[in-house]
Amino acid sequence: AQSVTQPDIHITVSEGASLELRCNYSYGATPYLFWYVQSPGQGLQLLLKYFSGDTLVQGIKGFEAEFKRSQSSFNLRKPSVHWSDAAEYFCAVGPYFGNEKLTFGTGTRLTIIP
Amino acid sequence: GAVVSQHPSWVICKSGTSVKIECRSLDFQATTMFWYRQFPKQSLMLMATSNEGSKATYEQGVEKDKFLINHASLTLSTLTVTSAHPEDSSFYICSARDKAVTNTGELFFGEGSRLTVL
Repeated sequence: AQSVTQPDIHITVSEGASLELRCNYSYGATPYLFWYVQSPGQGLQLLLKYFSGDTLVQGIKGFEAEFKRSQSSFNLRKPSVHWSDAAEYFCAVGPYFGNEKLTFGTGTRLTIIP
Repeated sequence: GAVVSQHPSWVICKSGTSVKIECRSLDFQATTMFWYRQFPKQSLMLMATSNEGSKATYEQGVEKDKFLINHASLTLSTLTVTSAHPEDSSFYICSARDKAVTNTGELFFGEGSRLTVL
């Protein structure tokens, strides 16, 4: 069965500091990996996705993620966070083909301090 | 990009009444839509997969008679919470996959609907 683990429930960083959010997955086939961001009371917005090719993926809002097959990880990074980045971040894994469901991690809440 | 719209964005109802939430794909057709439930400070829990023109597939533990799902067209799926009770209060989010893009797993999410049952 597929699963996603986000080991950090809550992370606090200072504005301007770098950020890394961890994501580990378990999937029996070639995974399709996603990072979504959710602001309070809002739906989810896709930050970036990975299926194949370059293992370093660029997304919106200055985010990037690196796929490491040997570690079954897909960590999200940003060199310098902004106060507007405060939100909940979800990692998800799903199949490349078909209409099967995505499996989400439990999320990491990001707080930015001035 | 593809847009999914939910309506209403928030609703308050009395216990025992039914509430309908709509999920529309505005600029694409979706043969499959997914309904999620999210409790405060928690992840998304898949409730059911809504397939156009056929019965929805419910996840284990989700009461299909309480959470009625209808996917009558390629752009609209509805979730009806029947005989709502306070424990049904939650944030409900729908998502959809573009019919024309069948070789990716990307989902487009609605803004969510917050249900409060008094």
